[in-house]
Amino acid sequence: DVKVTQSSRYLVKRTGEKVFLECVQDMDHENMFWYRQDPGLGLRLIYFSYDVKMKEKGDIPEGYSVSREKKERFSLILESASTNQTSMYLCASSFLSGHLIAKNIQYFGAGTRLSVL
Amino acid sequence: SQKIEQNSEALNIQEGKTATLTCNYTNYSPAYLQWYRQDPGRGPVFLLLIRENEKEKRKERLKVTFDTTLKQSLFHITASQPADSATYLCAYTGTASKLTFGTGTRLQVTL
Repeated sequence: DVKVTQSSRYLVKRTGEKVFLECVQDMDHENMFWYRQDPGLGLRLIYFSYDVKMKEKGDIPEGYSVSREKKERFSLILESASTNQTSMYLCASSFLSGHLIAKNIQYFGAGTRLSVL
Repeated sequence: SQKIEQNSEALNIQEGKTATLTCNYTNYSPAYLQWYRQDPGRGPVFLLLIRENEKEKRKERLKVTFDTTLKQSLFHITASQPADSATYLCAYTGTASKLTFGTGTRLQVTL
């Protein structure tokens, strides 16, 4: 079974702190994604990566950065956390587009609920 | 730009009945539509995928249809059970492996 593991289920941080959210997948997937999910707004893509050291902005990248030094690991960084970044953060992975079997099916981690006070 | 819309109102049905959830999209027909289930406080889990040229796909008690004329996909759960209570998300594949998700419809199955 595919496993996507996020380092923390719950996190409480102070405004202005630097925050790292870690995600590891064990399926050798090329693509990895970071979303945030807020009530009424659904899943919104922050950043994604289709290869090591590659990254692409999603729909709401402001205030975030990412790092992908190894294929299995994708980190989301909040350089200076703010209260409006309180949210549920979800990491996902998938095979590269065009993979005949995968058809871009995404596998999600359990999520990290981040509260910024 | 392409939008995907799901009914934001929760759907309440009685155990044993068939639940039907709707996913509408604007503009062009996506090559694939996917359906996911999400339980509270958890990440979405993939359920079914249907291609543009498929009318219907089944998996156990689940059935998905794709009507390109109506620009709509329907997701059915037959003989629904309280354990089916969750939020169901539809998604389409955009560019570069990205998925665009609807906001989801919460299903509540009562005894």
